[in-house]
Amino acid sequence: QVQLQESGPGLVKPSQTLSLTCTVSGGSISSGSYYWSWIRQPAGKGLEWIGRIYTSGSTNYNPSLKSRVTISVDTSKNQFSLKLSSVTAADTAVYYCARFSGYYYYFDYWGQGTLVTVSS
Amino acid sequence: QSALTQPASVSGSPGQSITISCTGTSSDVGGYNYVSWYQQHPGKAPKLMIYEVSNRPSGVSNRFSGSKSGNTASLTISGLQAEDEADYYCSSYTSSSTLGHVVFGGGTKLTVL
Repeated sequence: QVQLQESGPGLVKPSQTLSLTCTVSGGSISSGSYYWSWIRQPAGKGLEWIGRIYTSGSTNYNPSLKSRVTISVDTSKNQFSLKLSSVTAADTAVYYCARFSGYYYYFDYWGQGTLVTVSS
Repeated sequence: QSALTQPASVSGSPGQSITISCTGTSSDVGGYNYVSWYQQHPGKAPKLMIYEVSNRPSGVSNRFSGSKSGNTASLTISGLQAEDEADYYCSSYTSSSTLGHVVFGGGTKLTVL
């Protein structure tokens, strides 16, 4: 059973960089045709796709965030990471990591989510 | 504004059936059989309930079913139970690569009366 777990600071100051890591267990991050994704959800709102990475290192980002987002992967640690720079209060949200099937276009495994608050 | 349109809320009584719609275009829902549905309880991560329009992952109750007609996909929950009260999101493949070929609906809050 694949499991994903987000980790990182729960509080980030405005203008700083938000950094989160997703650790994958129960399977290799390098196996299968999967994309490793980040999705966020502001309180009381819907899901917003941030971006994803394939184990080859190929990335896709939401255009609205592209100038501030970097997603990377460390296959040796079975982890992938998110960096979001120049954060503002609008970036306050629950951040989820998830596995995305590149064949059938669905998110089958999700992390439990981590709340990141941007505040001074 | 979300790419896929869902009703903000639906409600039903225990034992009844309800249907949640998800309307897109021929570039997403109508053009491909890659519609998925997610259930999200408060404070929890979304959970995959339906994929490829009508397939259920192992462990998902057969009270949940999916279908599609034209540009509208639907999630039907039969024999409503209190535990079904949650938010439901649809998602679809889209020919647009803007968002990684995936679009979400805005979500529907299901209330079990």
